[in-house]
Amino acid sequence: DIQMTQSPSSLSASVGDRVTITCRASQSINTYLNWYQQKPGKAPKLLIYVASTLQSGVPSRFSGSGSGTDFTLTVSSLQPDDFATYYCQQSYSTPYTFGQGTRLEI
Amino acid sequence: EMQLVESGGGLVTPGGSLRLSCVASGFSFITYNMNWVRQPPGKGLEWVSSISSGDNNFVNYADSLEGRFTVSRDNAKNSLFLQMNDLRADDTAVYFCARLTAKLNFDFWGQGTLVTVSS
Repeated sequence: DIQMTQSPSSLSASVGDRVTITCRASQSINTYLNWYQQKPGKAPKLLIYVASTLQSGVPSRFSGSGSGTDFTLTVSSLQPDDFATYYCQQSYSTPYTFGQGTRLEI
Repeated sequence: EMQLVESGGGLVTPGGSLRLSCVASGFSFITYNMNWVRQPPGKGLEWVSSISSGDNNFVNYADSLEGRFTVSRDNAKNSLFLQMNDLRADDTAVYFCARLTAKLNFDFWGQGTLVTVSS
């Protein structure tokens, strides 16, 4: 199975900050990497797919990059609605594994 | 409006069985690979199972399930199912159904149904 490791596990930031979350795969996954945002009690929401493509309706302050084993999710200027938990997920092969999550706190 | 609505969760004793359902509306259900993803309370996301689009019914499961779960679909009823047998305490989780797109991402999710395995 492909292991996905996110860092940091939690992150404190302020409105207006630029933040970056990293995700590392245990083997090359090309660009088969997705990012999700989840708020308490809600289903995950797709933000970025194939490493860098913004899902329709997602604000442009979110961006993704990377290929192979190393990926990043960047939020250019944090807004109050962005405080949530973020997960990376590989879709290179089943089982479709997720990272352990990064909790972004105020 | 697209919807995925899960049901069937609840409290079950260890060793028991439960069948989850997910009813889709607002999109062409038959054309999508459908999946189950679970989330234990306070923990991260774990992919559980997938079933291919159409009538081919190719299935995949997480190794951790050890053959206890079976995924199926009824395209005529726009429904996805997860039969869960020999349930254990560590199966306690919110179970989400999610559709997989051609770009291999989960772009739409249900609201989830809670399964609690406890004596």
